[in-house]
Amino acid sequence: QKEVEQNSGPLSVPEGAIASLNCTYSDRGSQSFFWYRQYSGKSPELIMFIYSNGDKEDGRFTAQLNKASQYVSLLIRDSQPSDSATYLCAVSPAGNNRKLIWGLGTSLAVNP
Amino acid sequence: DTGVSQDPRHKITKRGQNVTFRCDPISEHNRLYWYRQTLGQGPEFLTYFQNEAQLEKSRLLSDRFSAERPKGSFSTLEIQRTEQGDSAMYLCASSRSGRAGYEQYFGPGTRLTVT
Repeated sequence: QKEVEQNSGPLSVPEGAIASLNCTYSDRGSQSFFWYRQYSGKSPELIMFIYSNGDKEDGRFTAQLNKASQYVSLLIRDSQPSDSATYLCAVSPAGNNRKLIWGLGTSLAVNP
Repeated sequence: DTGVSQDPRHKITKRGQNVTFRCDPISEHNRLYWYRQTLGQGPEFLTYFQNEAQLEKSRLLSDRFSAERPKGSFSTLEIQRTEQGDSAMYLCASSRSGRAGYEQYFGPGTRLTVT
């Protein structure tokens, strides 16, 4: 059973701080990793994707991938109250880039 | 570049009725996916099309569910004889395939309530 695990939270950070969200996966051969943001009652919005080991930065977001340790993380710098949402980690299993295995999400609350 | 669109956004139906949802993917995307999501869960995969071919369907999907993508553009998802357990958000996503990148982008979803 391929799994993706995230802490459910809630993760609470003050405005302006760095929020760190983590995700571990069980399929060692996984190739593609995605972070989605989902506001309550809305659909998931793709905010980051990463395919290679290391860091990938896009604005205030940084995705970090460590395939040896089988984890991927998302850092949000200068957190804003508008970042308060559930963050879903999704992973494509080995040899299947059309399929996504989803975590249950981490709830983030950014306090003004 | 317009995003994925879905229609309707909300649907309330009585148990036993049939419902149909429509999804229009991003125009250059040849892959289209249907998911279902309930509160506190990640999206649950239902089915997947590449162009007009339905290549995968979840084993969890009962025979009451059917999907089509007749010309490789928009898709429809039909639920026959709805049950209260079908109440959920139905999500459509689209992506490219191959080296062009296969990130999935979601539409706004259709929220179904079965009374």
